[in-house]
Amino acid sequence: EVQLVQSGAEVKKAGESLKISCKGSGYRFPKYWVGWVRQMPGKGLEWMGIIYPDDSDTKYSPSFQGQVTISVDKSISTAYLQWNSLKASDTAMYYCARRAADSSGSYNYFDRWGQGALVTVSS
Amino acid sequence: SYELTQPPSVSVSPGQTARITCSGDALPKQYVYWYQQKPGQAPVVVIVKDSERPSGIPERFSGSSSGTTVTLTISGVQAEDEADYYCQSPDSSGTYWVFGGGTKLTVL
Repeated sequence: EVQLVQSGAEVKKAGESLKISCKGSGYRFPKYWVGWVRQMPGKGLEWMGIIYPDDSDTKYSPSFQGQVTISVDKSISTAYLQWNSLKASDTAMYYCARRAADSSGSYNYFDRWGQGALVTVSS
Repeated sequence: SYELTQPPSVSVSPGQTARITCSGDALPKQYVYWYQQKPGQAPVVVIVKDSERPSGIPERFSGSSSGTTVTLTISGVQAEDEADYYCQSPDSSGTYWVFGGGTKLTVL
């Protein structure tokens, strides 16, 4: 069974750093892009960026470029989302998700999602 | 940056047809994907490539496209369809993806 399991909820202070994780299982992790999506409280979904585990090719939304870092360790089938200095406005649920793909190639949507990780940042 | 526009809310009675639109300049060139999100849950894709239903999605969900607007149609709406619906598509160059603002479907 394909699964994406995210790290747990975090409570941090503004200015602190944070790295959350997303571990894939049940499929060939290096060959599927993994993306991150933000959902602020009571708000909509925002696409943050995506990484290809096999070669670490990474693409960011212009809105999140320079604000976060997406990385991966394919040896342990885990993708990461990292902040160097959190702000209160980073308080949100963060989802990782797998980009759909088959033998024909990759498709521009997410077919499997993690359970989400709630990040709360106090000022 | 690129934007997709959805109506904030749509309300229908059970058994009626709900239509949710999504507009964007790049939609003639890029497919749209629709997700359903229920409270406290991760999103689930219900329509891919404008109009295809993934396996396991009920036949009452369908999609169509015309120019810069795509439409998610839910025929014979059921109470369980009450959720937020998001369209998603890449920008014109395919460099990054964007979600629409979301539409809350209320079943009266």
